[in-house]
Amino acid sequence: GAGVSQSPSNKVTEKGKDVELRCDPISGHTALYWYRQSLGQGLEFLIYFQGNSAPDKSGLPSDRFSAERTGGSVSTLTIQRTQQEDSAVYLCASSLVMGGRYYEQYFGPGTRLTVT
Amino acid sequence: SQELEQSPQSLIVQEGKNLTINCTSSKTLYGLYWYKQKYGEGLIFLMMLQKGGEEKSHEKITAKLDEKKQQSSLHITASQPSHAGIYLCGAERGGSNYKLTFGKGTLLTVNP
Repeated sequence: GAGVSQSPSNKVTEKGKDVELRCDPISGHTALYWYRQSLGQGLEFLIYFQGNSAPDKSGLPSDRFSAERTGGSVSTLTIQRTQQEDSAVYLCASSLVMGGRYYEQYFGPGTRLTVT
Repeated sequence: SQELEQSPQSLIVQEGKNLTINCTSSKTLYGLYWYKQKYGEGLIFLMMLQKGGEEKSHEKITAKLDEKKQQSSLHITASQPSHAGIYLCGAERGGSNYKLTFGKGTLLTVNP
């Protein structure tokens, strides 16, 4: 079946603008995760959803970052008033959850965000 | 300090050679994942190890978990150019098996 898809694949924006990044998880995966990958920092956890709720937002770097998930499927990560340090690749992943156990995460191709 | 240290940071090998990548945790390992990433692409799941001493293989890639040493190793036999990429280890942390902490990766180049 189809894997995790993300859009756009690349986004260049001016400092101060808002951006929305979209993730479409694998069908049937109730857990959805957002990570950020930047040079020197590696891969950082941002937030995860179980269904439509986000029990753990601990990785969001500031209140400019928010995410939502509707219908237990598609998720949107929004960055308001973008700053240059927000430039990174934003990766989305999804996984099955069964019996309280989270299975391996499958990643999308990422959105490369460049803030000029 | 980094919770997961990968070594080496980069590796260049000749096609056909064997190689090993290590991932060492500063904290107790509950579950260890290996992923591969090619430039500009997402992470591809390779294997997950859960129990001490566990060993899994997929094609020419074998991963082992040494719980006592808090370490995992990834071994590639008879490397091919298709093995080139960045190998990342990710670890679960106790109480939250949804949240993975990743190492910074090992860049593997395989010369034909």
